[in-house]
Amino acid sequence: DGGITQSPKYLFRKEGQNVTLSCEQNLNHDAMYWYRQDPGQGLRLIYYSQIVNDFQKGDIAEGYSVSREKKESFPLTVTSAQKNPTAFYLCASSMLGNTEAFFGQGTRLTVV
Amino acid sequence: AQSVTQPDIHITVSEGASLELRCNYSYGATPYLFWYVQSPGQGLQLLLKYFSGDTLVQGIKGFEAEFKRSQSSFNLRKPSVHWSDAAEYFCAVGRTNAGNMLTFGGGTRLMVKP
Repeated sequence: DGGITQSPKYLFRKEGQNVTLSCEQNLNHDAMYWYRQDPGQGLRLIYYSQIVNDFQKGDIAEGYSVSREKKESFPLTVTSAQKNPTAFYLCASSMLGNTEAFFGQGTRLTVV
Repeated sequence: AQSVTQPDIHITVSEGASLELRCNYSYGATPYLFWYVQSPGQGLQLLLKYFSGDTLVQGIKGFEAEFKRSQSSFNLRKPSVHWSDAAEYFCAVGRTNAGNMLTFGGGTRLMVKP
């Protein structure tokens, strides 16, 4: 089935550690996105990529890093510089242009 | 910069009653508007979208939304709510400078009474 796969579903991290969230899509979409969702809030854009080997910062990129070495993959690293990393992270993809974005099932990250 | 406001954080309706969720946006150009639904702990599913043309758009699960440029609104409606509609609903506006980055409202949590 075509779709977006995020893994793991739940992730626990100790303070001071980096952690990488996986996002893979088999929809042949050019664009991929990472959003952060906090309780009672909407989603905020962290990073996006429109083509392989290129990506741009979104609205809240500080403390995060990404790579786009393959069209299907867009992993997000939450670094120790992110001051409040506990959140629900959603990956999305879309065709370029004004089309809808498709979302993965999310990864819930908890810092312990 | 664009923004989206969903004035109602929580709404409770009885099963079978009609529903309207409000959404107001701020955007300098013609907006590309979306409604997504999220069940607890899940990703977002697209309900409907407006790009151009007819201002009344139909979506999945019996939902519809009306784009009103004069009011900068894109309210979501359903004539008869089912218990399975209980979820969180997000309105979003697309940033049209290539790709489809979205600016989201804060969401409205819908509860359905039996």
